[in-house]
Amino acid sequence: KAGVTQTPRYLIKTRGQQVTLSCSPISGHRSVSWYQQTPGQGLQFLFEYFSETQRNKGNFPGRFSGRQFSNSRSEMNVSTLELGDSALYLCASSSPGQANEKLFFGSGTQLSVL
Amino acid sequence: TQLLEQSPQFLSIQEGENLTVYCNSSSVFSSLQWYRQEPGEGPVLLVTVVTGGEVKKLKRLTFQFGDARKDSSLHITAAQPGDTGLYLCAGGETGANNLFFGTGTRLTVIP
Repeated sequence: KAGVTQTPRYLIKTRGQQVTLSCSPISGHRSVSWYQQTPGQGLQFLFEYFSETQRNKGNFPGRFSGRQFSNSRSEMNVSTLELGDSALYLCASSSPGQANEKLFFGSGTQLSVL
Repeated sequence: TQLLEQSPQFLSIQEGENLTVYCNSSSVFSSLQWYRQEPGEGPVLLVTVVTGGEVKKLKRLTFQFGDARKDSSLHITAAQPGDTGLYLCAGGETGANNLFFGTGTRLTVIP
């Protein structure tokens, strides 16, 4: 079974630009969560999608948005990039209904904002 | 925001030594998970504990959930270089898929 796939692996953008990251969950998984990881703040929850609906949202500004498609693939978008948005963005999928909903993480997209 | 503090932040030990990593919070969680993350990869789940006082063993790793479900510990016996990585605890709430991650413990096991 293929794992969680995130593309691209690395991305370099400049301030003010916007970026779209993609995540393909494990086949059969319908829940996709996004996390931001930085050296200073650690791993922080961005949002979770299930059946194309945002089910949960973390404390991030509206510049961070996402969506989920009917095949469970998900994208997240960051508009008007700031230097502080430089981070590893991780996507995790899970199969709701499992006890404690085990999360499977992708390898992440490393975003650098210059 | 529910904070999970891990200690120590960094740990460098010789192969064969034992170690314990702590994860503490002022909040109660319905479950506590431990992950290990290697450079360039996403975190990989090691264990989930859900009952206060629960102890789980995974080969040389022993995980414990505090009685009040606010804290947890990870003990590694006879550490090996393959144990090197970033260890993260994460607290979960019932019915929600958003985990609150700890600050992390970066472990280096020297051969």
